[in-house]
Amino acid sequence: EAGVTQFPSHSVIEKGQTVTLRCDPISGHDNLYWYRRVMGKEIKFLLHFVKESKQDESGMPNNRFLAERTGGTYSTLKVQPAELEDSGVYFCASSQGQGWGKNIQYFGAGTRLSVL
Amino acid sequence: AQSVTQLDSHVSVSEGTPVLLRCNYSSSYSPSLFWYVQHPNKGLQLLLKYTSAATLVKGINGFEAEFKKSETSFHLTKPSAHMSDAAEYFCVVPFSGGYNKLIFGAGTRLAVHP
Repeated sequence: EAGVTQFPSHSVIEKGQTVTLRCDPISGHDNLYWYRRVMGKEIKFLLHFVKESKQDESGMPNNRFLAERTGGTYSTLKVQPAELEDSGVYFCASSQGQGWGKNIQYFGAGTRLSVL
Repeated sequence: AQSVTQLDSHVSVSEGTPVLLRCNYSSSYSPSLFWYVQHPNKGLQLLLKYTSAATLVKGINGFEAEFKKSETSFHLTKPSAHMSDAAEYFCVVPFSGGYNKLIFGAGTRLAVHP
C-alpha cells in the first residue's frame, strides 16, 4: 500500500513568486491534514479536510495560503506571493476517519520550501 | 489548553546503551499521547500511542513509554540503542482530546555512536 506522497520534495523560489505543493493521501483516507515546521520551531497544524470540505483551517497563517482538495482526493497548498518567513518544511498527513484505529495520522516525507 | 514539552533538544548515546527521551504534557484531563519518529528524508512514523488502556505502552522497534499522571510525563525509553535509532522524535498530543489536530513537541534529535 502506498503511503502519503508529497511533491516536490524540495522547492526553492524567490520572494514574491508562487509555489504549489501537492499531497496525495493514502487511498481511501477521507481526512487530510497540512502541517508546517519553520526553522527552529515546532510542527504546527495548518488545516484539515474531510473529503473535499475544510473542517478546520484555524492554523492557516494568512490569506496568502490557499488549500484545495477538489474531488476529495489529492490536495494542493498554494502560497502566493511567497515571503521569506514561509520557508520551512510542509507536511501532509491522512487518516481513514473517526473512531478507534481509524484516526491515526500517517505522514508524508514533507516538502522543504526555501524562499530567497 | 493542551501542550507537550520535550525536555531535551539533543540526546547522544552509545550503541547498546539505554535511551531515555523525556516528554511532559499539560492537559486539564487525561489525554491521549503519541510518539512519532522521523528518520532523515522520511515521513513521520507513529512509534506508539497511549489511549488510557494501559499506562505502559509498547511500540515498534523495541521502544516503550510509560504514562505517569502524577508526574504528567510520557517518557520514551529503549533498553539498548541501535545505530538505526538515530532520528528525530516527537511527543504529540491531540487537541482537545480529539484526533483531528495534533500538537507537537519541539522534537528531540537522537544521535547513536558506535
